[in-house]
Amino acid sequence: DAKTTQPNSMESNEEEPVHLPCNHSTISGTDYIHWYRQLPSQGPEYVIHGLTSNVNNRMASLAIAEDRKSSTLILHRATLRDAAVYYCILRDLNDMRFGAGTRLTVKP
Amino acid sequence: DTEVTQTPKHLVMGMTNKKSLKCEQHMGHRAMYWYKQKAKKPPELMFVYSYEKLSINESVPSRFSPECPNSSLLNLHLHALQPEDSALYLCASSPERWSSGAQIPINEQFFGPGTRLTVL
Repeated sequence: DAKTTQPNSMESNEEEPVHLPCNHSTISGTDYIHWYRQLPSQGPEYVIHGLTSNVNNRMASLAIAEDRKSSTLILHRATLRDAAVYYCILRDLNDMRFGAGTRLTVKP
Repeated sequence: DTEVTQTPKHLVMGMTNKKSLKCEQHMGHRAMYWYKQKAKKPPELMFVYSYEKLSINESVPSRFSPECPNSSLLNLHLHALQPEDSALYLCASSPERWSSGAQIPINEQFFGPGTRLTVL
């Protein structure tokens, strides 16, 4: 059973912000929300994670809904190098199951 | 050293062959993982080792046999594979950082570049 739901694909223009949504309506109180991305021909790369509060790091921001049933990954200024598949994952203990992910295309 | 290395990068094997995939990290991580990824699909978790002990086995067929000889090394032994086992095999590691109280890991995983396996 998929624990997260994401759009199959999204497009963005270079230099513009991108908001990647994720629904996780069955999230439990102990699930952390993780985001990874996978560039072509590479292994997945950690982006950001959070539990309840919004989080910022050098790569992105994570906005988590108050009921925790959805979250949004925000890339503040998309570059061509951000074109990748972005995965939203609920992390519990050592379990990390990837959903289908969102393929982000960035147009110059 | 903040890398996870995997060897070989590519492997072609027949259904009767025995081969091994190797994964190494020198970041002091105590959890290591094997994933299988088919083309245009997300990675699927196969095995998890925590402190060199197998903690998760996702009902993987016995023709895949993991081994963790020490905290830096993870192997995946392959025997009598089928053509449908052709895929990218990814290794990952993570530090054992736990949230206070809940004992839930909040640590990120570091992935290697993968081994592309073709079974003829």
